[in-house]
Amino acid sequence: SQKIEQNSEALNIQEGKTATLTCNYTNYSPAYLQWYRQDPGRGPVFLLLIRENEKEKRKERLKVTFDTTLKQSLFHITASQPADSATYLCALEGSGGGADGLTFGKGTHLIIQP
Amino acid sequence: DARVTQTPRHKVTEMGQEVTMRCQPILGHNTVFWYRQTMMQGLELLAYFRNRAPLDDSGMPKDRFSAEMPDATLATLKIQPSEPRDSAVYFCASASGGAGANVLTFGAGSRLTVL
Repeated sequence: SQKIEQNSEALNIQEGKTATLTCNYTNYSPAYLQWYRQDPGRGPVFLLLIRENEKEKRKERLKVTFDTTLKQSLFHITASQPADSATYLCALEGSGGGADGLTFGKGTHLIIQP
Repeated sequence: DARVTQTPRHKVTEMGQEVTMRCQPILGHNTVFWYRQTMMQGLELLAYFRNRAPLDDSGMPKDRFSAEMPDATLATLKIQPSEPRDSAVYFCASASGGAGANVLTFGAGSRLTVL
């Protein structure tokens, strides 16, 4: 069965450093991979989308890589700030013309220490 | 900003009672998703609709859960009868659909506690 793995342990990073979160998957050939941010008591918020034929995507301090051979995506936040503290979820979607729902990982809790 | 509206935000009920959660998707979005989130399982896809037609509800316990879209501005998720194991946060999300990726806008969620 399809499986998405994100580090379940909280990731503690010093302010100003780069935070790197990992998303690994098995038994899946996603056409799209997305990253969402979730704050306590709120719904997830979309951050970035990367397609299977793209290696890297950037948006301001965020960078996502997608390696379909390793079946892995890395999510980087450069110059991290305490306000970046949240849970980050990766989500996979097939290429069924929008007929596939997104499957989410359980998320990694990121804590940026001042 | 356009947003997905969910009601109720919080619901506490007794086991065996019927629970109905409602969602108003973003105007113009034709794809609506229902997810359930727990600490143990994370976000689980329950069902989703495109143009009000159900595309997939395989993640939903059919004996007690039902999802509908009476019209384009309202999606409902009903649990009857409710059980303690249904306690979770239920999220609705909508997307503009199309042939490409579904980028989801989530509501704030409905936190359900079944005693």
